[in-house]
Amino acid sequence: DTEVTQTPKHLVMGMTNKKSLKCEQHMGHRAMYWYKQKAKKPPELMFVYSYEKLSINESVPSRFSPECPNSSLLNLHLHALQPEDSALYLCASSQEGSRETQYFGPGTRLLVL
Amino acid sequence: ELKVEQNPLFLSMQEGKNYTIYCNYSTTSDRLYWYRQDPGKSLESLFVLLSNGAVKQEGRLMASLDTKARLSTLHITAAVHDLSATYFCAGTLGGYALNFGKGTSLLVTP
Repeated sequence: DTEVTQTPKHLVMGMTNKKSLKCEQHMGHRAMYWYKQKAKKPPELMFVYSYEKLSINESVPSRFSPECPNSSLLNLHLHALQPEDSALYLCASSQEGSRETQYFGPGTRLLVL
Repeated sequence: ELKVEQNPLFLSMQEGKNYTIYCNYSTTSDRLYWYRQDPGKSLESLFVLLSNGAVKQEGRLMASLDTKARLSTLHITAAVHDLSATYFCAGTLGGYALNFGKGTSLLVTP
């Protein structure tokens, strides 16, 4: 099984809402990632979890809050987002170590109104 | 900082033709990846190139790496419509972060 799953596929939220994005993998990977991708742009790394601990936070605003409940799950909690946060949010996972290929999920397309 | 530049950024080619996408990077990269992304979809891993002279082929796509020139190429042979997508190369300095190029949007026409 080489699949990373993400829910929901689409999300529309207002600027005062709180929502969460979910990511799951069952490949035994110990590193998990959140990326943000705007239209016609490459993905930008947001967070990295390694062995369920936050390893990298790329200076992401606090309105984005990641959580790694266990080795298979990764959440991204959203609160008080801005319209410019509308994007495709991609989850990825890899074997531990940073030298391993990252496998991406299908993404959640987020629209903030 | 590792900078990755791809060219061309847009490529329209006829079915049956050959073409090459170039990926230059600014400093020694631990490894070089190629990903494919269909419109509105996720990224699919195509190749990972680990060492100088590495060449990998899958179907009509062949990727190579020249670490001395800091250059990777993705060669398309006898293009078909199904290859229409955006192709990203990405390097890494050994950490978790992938430094992506801007992507090459490929359109294969009849």
